[in-house]
Amino acid sequence: RKEVEQDPGPFNVPEGATVAFNCTYSNSASQSFFWYRQDCRKEPKLLMSVYSSGNEDGRFTAQLNRASQYISLLIRDSKLSDSATYLCVARKNSGYALNFGKGTSLLVTP
Amino acid sequence: ETGVTQSPTHLIKTRGQQVTLRCSSQSGHNTVSWYQQALGQGPQFIFQYYREEENGRGNFPPRFSGLQFPNYSSELNVNALELDDSALYLCASSPSIQGGVNTGELFFGEGSRLTVL
Repeated sequence: RKEVEQDPGPFNVPEGATVAFNCTYSNSASQSFFWYRQDCRKEPKLLMSVYSSGNEDGRFTAQLNRASQYISLLIRDSKLSDSATYLCVARKNSGYALNFGKGTSLLVTP
Repeated sequence: ETGVTQSPTHLIKTRGQQVTLRCSSQSGHNTVSWYQQALGQGPQFIFQYYREEENGRGNFPPRFSGLQFPNYSSELNVNALELDDSALYLCASSPSIQGGVNTGELFFGEGSRLTVL
């Protein structure tokens, strides 16, 4: 079983829509969580860290539920430029490795 | 751009050959890690280097090895190439908090795309 599981999608949404991605992690020792974004044939880039209390960055909101070992990313008012693959990431507190999910593909259409 | 550069960008090898991939880390970053990303998959951690020592390793066989140099640049070497080694190899640098633990924000290069025939 993969340490980080995501629905691969694709999610096809119209501009302006709200879309949510979910992710589960299996290792209860995971302490740090992130969402990375990867454009087609490009390198992953950090979108945002995920904090226990939930956090927001503009149109993006991340939530963490430690009891359920579940992470989410909400994108409001989707833009065409949001089209990308969103990678859910978990890491043990003293670890070095980032454990990436397979990614969820988002396509925002006009 | 992240400031992390990798070379070569693309290469084709045959089974059994050896390959060396190179990475220059972003200025000020002393930790370098390598990830393998197969088509349709997320990146998988190979190993991390801090102060020229490997300080973390994923589930990859010993034929995957690396080096970090005093200027924090790094190499990934893969011996006895197999078809399944075909993938995008990503180098990432980051500053470390302490003892080589990275902050979780990795700055990736654009990768070296390896095809093994």
